[in-house]
Amino acid sequence: KQEVTQIPAALSVPEGENLVLNCSFTDSAIYNLQWFRQDPGKGLTSLLLIQSSQREQTSGRLNASLDKSSGRSTLYIAASQPGDSATYLCADRGTGGFKTIFGAGTRLFVKA
Amino acid sequence: DTAVSQTPKYLVTQMGNDKSIKCEQNLGHDTMYWYKQDSKKFLKIMFSYNNKELIINETVPNRFSPKSPDKAHLNLHINSLELGDSAVYFCASSQDPRVGEKLFFGSGTQLSVL
Repeated sequence: KQEVTQIPAALSVPEGENLVLNCSFTDSAIYNLQWFRQDPGKGLTSLLLIQSSQREQTSGRLNASLDKSSGRSTLYIAASQPGDSATYLCADRGTGGFKTIFGAGTRLFVKA
Repeated sequence: DTAVSQTPKYLVTQMGNDKSIKCEQNLGHDTMYWYKQDSKKFLKIMFSYNNKELIINETVPNRFSPKSPDKAHLNLHINSLELGDSAVYFCASSQDPRVGEKLFFGSGTQLSVL
């Protein structure tokens, strides 16, 4: 069964800190893994997508890695800012491609 | 221009009623989806359509009936609404997911069943 787990469930850090969000998945035959951001009452915004053949992707202060052998992905946020406060979700697009499974998310709060 | 738009944003209704949520995407994508986000914020796939054809029906009660009149639209009709249907429903789209394209989401429809 395709499952995605995110740790921690919630995280509070002071502004400027570097942080890592973790995601683990059970499907070793994934197509890709995508990280999203969700602000309260809003939809999901795609941050980074890593194809199964890739090891990492970077966008600005964000870096996502993928290790298929261990079933893990991490989202690294450098120099966190209060505007980064949101829920971060990882999603595993599994075998067959049409079914994307989401983790429960990590709620991040960055204190000014 | 909004890439994936869904209406209405809020929907409040009584138990037993029938309601519809509309979704349109202007990205030229082949595949559209409906997701449900419950009170614990857990996002679960309900349906996936590719080129108007149903690909995934994730054990959703048959009171929920998706309809795709064309590739750019995927509407969700819900019959005989129940209290447990209260949630936020998100529409999404992507290019053919078998080549690993990004998912794009609408802003959600918050359904409250009283």
